[in-house]
Amino acid sequence: DTGVSQNPRHKITKRGQNVTFRCDPISEHNRLYWYRQTLGQGPEFLTYFQNEAQLEKSRLLSDRFSAERPKGSFSTLEIQRTEQGDSAMYLCASSPWDRQEQYFGPGTRLTVT
Amino acid sequence: EDQVTQSPEALRLQEGESSSLNCSYTVSGLRGLFWYRQDPGKGPEFLFTLYSAGEEKEKERLKATLTKKESFLHITAPKPEDSATYLCAVQAKSGGSNYKLTFGKGTLLTVNP
Repeated sequence: DTGVSQNPRHKITKRGQNVTFRCDPISEHNRLYWYRQTLGQGPEFLTYFQNEAQLEKSRLLSDRFSAERPKGSFSTLEIQRTEQGDSAMYLCASSPWDRQEQYFGPGTRLTVT
Repeated sequence: EDQVTQSPEALRLQEGESSSLNCSYTVSGLRGLFWYRQDPGKGPEFLFTLYSAGEEKEKERLKATLTKKESFLHITAPKPEDSATYLCAVQAKSGGSNYKLTFGKGTLLTVNP
Protein backbone atom coordinates (compact mmCIF):
# COMPACT_ATOMS: atom_id res chain seq x y z
CA ASP A 1 0.00 0.00 0.00
CA THR A 2 1.27 3.44 -0.85
CA GLY A 3 -1.00 5.07 1.71
CA VAL A 4 -3.47 7.90 1.39
CA SER A 5 -2.08 10.89 -0.49
CA GLN A 6 -3.30 14.47 -0.45
CA ASN A 7 -2.46 17.44 -2.64
CA PRO A 8 -1.47 20.13 -2.20
CA ARG A 9 0.18 19.81 1.20
CA HIS A 10 -0.05 23.53 1.84
CA LYS A 11 -2.30 26.21 0.37
CA ILE A 12 -2.27 29.93 1.11
CA THR A 13 -5.14 31.88 -0.37
CA LYS A 14 -6.79 35.24 -0.01
CA ARG A 15 -10.23 35.62 1.51
CA GLY A 16 -12.91 35.22 -1.10
CA GLN A 17 -10.95 32.92 -3.40
CA ASN A 18 -11.96 29.34 -4.21
CA VAL A 19 -9.69 26.40 -3.40
CA THR A 20 -9.79 22.70 -4.28
CA PHE A 21 -8.03 19.84 -2.54
CA ARG A 22 -7.48 16.32 -3.83
CA CYS A 23 -7.35 13.01 -1.96
CA ASP A 24 -6.20 9.67 -3.38
CA PRO A 25 -7.24 6.86 -1.03
CA ILE A 26 -5.56 3.51 -0.58
CA SER A 27 -6.47 1.46 -3.63
CA GLU A 28 -9.59 -0.71 -3.23
CA HIS A 29 -10.75 1.19 -0.13
CA ASN A 30 -14.39 1.89 -0.84
CA ARG A 31 -14.99 4.27 2.07
CA LEU A 32 -13.55 7.79 2.07
CA TYR A 33 -13.86 10.51 4.69
CA TRP A 34 -12.99 14.18 4.96
CA TYR A 35 -12.19 15.73 8.36
CA ARG A 36 -11.07 19.19 9.46
CA GLN A 37 -8.62 19.81 12.31
CA THR A 38 -7.75 23.09 14.00
CA LEU A 39 -4.92 23.69 16.46
CA GLY A 40 -5.37 21.89 19.76
CA GLN A 41 -8.45 20.00 18.60
CA GLY A 42 -9.09 16.51 17.33
CA PRO A 43 -10.27 15.97 13.74
CA GLU A 44 -13.95 16.82 13.08
CA PHE A 45 -16.01 14.87 10.57
CA LEU A 46 -17.07 16.73 7.42
CA THR A 47 -18.38 14.21 4.90
CA TYR A 48 -18.36 10.52 3.92
CA PHE A 49 -18.40 8.58 0.65
CA GLN A 50 -19.09 4.94 0.07
CA ASN A 51 -17.77 4.28 -3.42
CA GLU A 52 -19.03 7.27 -5.44
CA ALA A 53 -22.07 8.00 -3.24
CA GLN A 54 -21.87 10.84 -0.72
CA LEU A 55 -23.85 9.38 2.17
CA GLU A 56 -23.57 12.01 4.87
CA LYS A 57 -22.52 15.63 5.37
CA SER A 58 -21.84 17.26 8.71
CA ARG A 59 -23.60 20.43 9.79
CA LEU A 60 -20.07 21.92 9.77
CA LEU A 61 -20.14 21.67 5.98
CA SER A 62 -21.76 24.91 4.86
CA ASP A 63 -23.06 25.40 1.33
CA ARG A 64 -19.67 26.91 0.41
CA PHE A 65 -18.19 23.43 0.71
CA SER A 66 -18.67 20.70 -1.88
CA ALA A 67 -17.09 17.29 -2.22
CA GLU A 68 -17.09 14.76 -5.03
CA ARG A 69 -15.77 11.28 -5.61
CA PRO A 70 -16.26 10.51 -9.29
CA LYS A 71 -16.02 6.82 -10.20
CA GLY A 72 -15.38 5.95 -6.57
CA SER A 73 -11.65 6.61 -6.73
CA PHE A 74 -10.05 9.94 -5.82
CA SER A 75 -12.03 12.70 -4.12
CA THR A 76 -11.99 16.49 -4.26
CA LEU A 77 -13.06 19.00 -1.64
CA GLU A 78 -13.81 22.52 -2.86
CA ILE A 79 -14.29 25.58 -0.70
CA GLN A 80 -15.86 28.59 -2.39
CA ARG A 81 -15.48 32.19 -1.20
CA THR A 82 -12.99 31.22 1.51
CA GLU A 83 -13.17 32.91 4.91
CA GLN A 84 -10.48 33.25 7.59
CA GLY A 85 -12.37 30.75 9.71
CA ASP A 86 -11.72 28.11 7.04
CA SER A 87 -8.02 28.08 7.96
CA ALA A 88 -7.34 24.55 9.20
CA MET A 89 -5.78 21.19 8.33
CA TYR A 90 -8.04 19.22 5.98
CA LEU A 91 -7.57 15.48 6.41
CA CYS A 92 -8.71 12.67 4.18
CA ALA A 93 -9.05 9.07 5.38
CA SER A 94 -10.05 5.79 3.78
CA SER A 95 -11.05 2.34 4.97
CA PRO A 96 -11.86 -1.00 3.35
CA TRP A 97 -15.39 -2.43 3.40
CA ASP A 98 -14.52 -5.18 5.89
CA ARG A 99 -12.61 -3.21 8.57
CA GLN A 100 -13.46 -0.23 10.73
CA GLU A 101 -10.11 1.52 11.16
CA GLN A 102 -9.49 4.55 8.99
CA TYR A 103 -6.13 5.41 7.47
CA PHE A 104 -5.34 9.08 7.22
CA GLY A 105 -3.37 11.05 4.68
CA PRO A 106 -0.82 13.74 5.57
CA GLY A 107 -3.42 16.52 5.25
CA THR A 108 -3.65 19.82 3.40
CA ARG A 109 -2.96 22.88 5.53
CA LEU A 110 -5.08 25.83 4.38
CA THR A 111 -4.25 29.38 5.40
CA VAL A 112 -6.72 32.10 4.43
CA THR A 113 -5.28 35.63 4.63
CA GLU B 1 -24.49 13.17 20.75
CA ASP B 2 -21.30 11.12 20.95
CA GLN B 3 -18.61 12.61 23.19
CA VAL B 4 -14.96 11.79 23.88
CA THR B 5 -12.93 13.37 26.69
CA GLN B 6 -9.21 12.73 27.02
CA SER B 7 -7.04 13.38 30.05
CA PRO B 8 -4.59 14.73 30.86
CA GLU B 9 -4.33 17.38 28.12
CA ALA B 10 -0.54 17.19 28.39
CA LEU B 11 1.83 14.77 30.07
CA ARG B 12 5.56 15.08 30.54
CA LEU B 13 7.53 11.93 31.43
CA GLN B 14 11.13 10.99 31.91
CA GLU B 15 12.45 8.24 29.68
CA GLY B 16 11.54 4.91 31.28
CA GLU B 17 8.76 6.39 33.45
CA SER B 18 5.58 4.40 32.72
CA SER B 19 2.15 6.05 32.76
CA SER B 20 -1.40 5.90 31.34
CA LEU B 21 -3.60 8.13 29.22
CA ASN B 22 -7.36 8.17 29.74
CA CYS B 23 -10.21 8.35 27.25
CA SER B 24 -13.77 8.64 28.59
CA TYR B 25 -16.63 8.31 26.13
CA THR B 26 -20.39 8.44 25.78
CA VAL B 27 -21.88 6.90 22.68
CA SER B 28 -25.23 5.43 21.72
CA GLY B 29 -23.90 1.94 21.11
CA LEU B 30 -20.18 1.46 20.56
CA ARG B 31 -19.09 -0.02 17.26
CA GLY B 32 -15.41 0.54 17.97
CA LEU B 33 -12.89 2.65 19.90
CA PHE B 34 -9.71 3.74 18.16
CA TRP B 35 -6.33 5.07 19.25
CA TYR B 36 -4.19 7.16 16.92
CA ARG B 37 -0.79 8.80 17.22
CA GLN B 38 -0.24 12.19 15.58
CA ASP B 39 3.10 13.90 15.07
CA PRO B 40 3.22 17.68 14.47
CA GLY B 41 2.09 18.65 10.97
CA LYS B 42 1.14 15.09 10.01
CA GLY B 43 -2.02 13.05 9.74
CA PRO B 44 -3.08 10.65 12.52
CA GLU B 45 -1.42 7.23 12.44
CA PHE B 46 -3.63 4.27 13.36
CA LEU B 47 -2.59 2.30 16.46
CA PHE B 48 -5.43 0.13 17.81
CA THR B 49 -9.09 -0.78 17.49
CA LEU B 50 -11.02 -2.10 20.51
CA TYR B 51 -14.54 -3.46 20.11
CA SER B 52 -15.79 -4.72 23.48
CA ALA B 53 -15.25 -4.22 27.21
CA GLY B 54 -12.37 -6.30 28.52
CA GLU B 55 -10.50 -6.30 25.23
CA GLU B 56 -6.78 -5.45 25.22
CA LYS B 57 -4.32 -4.77 22.40
CA GLU B 58 -0.54 -4.37 22.57
CA LYS B 59 2.12 -2.96 20.28
CA GLU B 60 5.69 -2.51 21.43
CA ARG B 61 5.56 -0.24 24.52
CA LEU B 62 1.84 0.55 24.13
CA LYS B 63 -1.13 -1.33 25.53
CA ALA B 64 -4.75 -0.27 25.08
CA THR B 65 -7.62 -1.46 27.28
CA LEU B 66 -11.38 -0.89 27.16
CA THR B 67 -14.22 -0.76 29.69
CA LYS B 68 -17.85 0.22 29.14
CA LYS B 69 -17.11 3.88 29.86
CA GLU B 70 -13.43 4.48 29.21
CA SER B 71 -10.23 3.31 27.57
CA PHE B 72 -6.67 3.54 28.76
CA LEU B 73 -3.46 3.72 26.75
CA HIS B 74 -0.66 2.40 28.92
CA ILE B 75 2.89 3.37 27.98
CA THR B 76 5.61 1.18 29.47
CA ALA B 77 9.18 2.48 29.72
CA PRO B 78 8.63 5.23 27.15
CA LYS B 79 11.36 6.56 24.91
CA PRO B 80 11.76 10.10 23.48
CA GLU B 81 10.48 8.85 20.11
CA ASP B 82 7.11 8.11 21.76
CA SER B 83 6.58 11.86 22.09
CA ALA B 84 3.45 12.77 20.11
CA THR B 85 -0.23 13.63 20.51
CA TYR B 86 -2.35 10.55 21.18
CA LEU B 87 -5.93 10.75 19.93
CA CYS B 88 -8.88 8.60 20.98
CA ALA B 89 -11.97 8.24 18.77
CA VAL B 90 -15.27 6.35 18.88
CA GLN B 91 -17.46 4.96 16.15
CA ALA B 92 -21.16 4.56 16.93
CA LYS B 93 -23.46 1.76 15.85
CA SER B 94 -26.28 4.29 15.50
CA GLY B 95 -24.50 5.82 12.55
CA GLY B 96 -25.96 3.15 10.30
CA SER B 97 -23.81 2.99 7.22
CA ASN B 98 -21.79 6.04 8.30
CA TYR B 99 -18.61 4.93 9.97
CA LYS B 100 -17.48 8.42 10.99
CA LEU B 101 -15.13 8.84 13.94
CA THR B 102 -15.73 11.25 16.83
CA PHE B 103 -12.40 12.33 18.28
CA GLY B 104 -11.24 13.71 21.60
CA LYS B 105 -8.85 16.65 21.77
CA GLY B 106 -5.87 14.41 22.41
CA THR B 107 -3.11 14.10 25.00
CA LEU B 108 0.23 15.70 24.16
CA LEU B 109 2.92 13.36 25.47
CA THR B 110 6.50 14.55 25.89
CA VAL B 111 9.19 12.07 26.91
CA ASN B 112 12.44 13.63 28.05
CA PRO B 113 15.76 11.73 27.73
